[in-house]
Amino acid sequence: EVVMTQSPATLSVSPGERATLSCRASQSVGSNLAWYQQKPGQAPRLLIYGASTRATGIPARFSGSGSGTEFTLTISSLQSEDFAVYYCQQYNNWPPYTFGQGTKLEIK
Amino acid sequence: EVQVLESGGGLVQPGGSLRLSCAASGFTFSNYAVNWVRQAPGKGLEWVSGISGSGNSKFYADSVKGRFTISRDNSKNTLYLQMNSLRAEDTAVYYCAKEGEVGMGSYFHYWGQGTLVTVSS
Repeated sequence: EVVMTQSPATLSVSPGERATLSCRASQSVGSNLAWYQQKPGQAPRLLIYGASTRATGIPARFSGSGSGTEFTLTISSLQSEDFAVYYCQQYNNWPPYTFGQGTKLEIK
Repeated sequence: EVQVLESGGGLVQPGGSLRLSCAASGFTFSNYAVNWVRQAPGKGLEWVSGISGSGNSKFYADSVKGRFTISRDNSKNTLYLQMNSLRAEDTAVYYCAKEGEVGMGSYFHYWGQGTLVTVSS
């Protein structure tokens, strides 16, 4: 099973600043990596797939990078609606599909 | 517009059974794999089970293998999860998630709003 590890667990950033979230896989997953955003009481929403492709309707301030075992989600110029929990997921070596434990992005 | 809508959650006693449903619309249902993902209260996301578009291939997390059964009815555009021998640790919101690419083994493109399953005496 591929273990996904996200860091940090909590990230405090001021509105308008940049946020950088990390995700590490225990073995290579190529570019088969997705990022999801989840707000309280809501379902997860797909942000990024293929490590760097934005899903339909996702603003350009969200960008993904990386391959193999190291991945990054960057949110430039944070908006109030961006404060949420973010999960990475690998879909290269399955079953099982595995998620990271999440990074909570909070307002500083 | 793609929509997936779960139903069937509720309160059940340990050892009991429950069947979840997920009604899909807005896409050719039989072309896409669909999965169940759960989230225990205050916890992260855990993949539970997935099924190919044809229904011929089914996969389970070790934590539910032998207790849960996934199935689909492509004539009704509906996904199911039969949950037996339920345990307290199965308490979670269960999400239905449609994969993003034809075939199986891709990201989860669309998610339902979830249905809460509570296992308690």
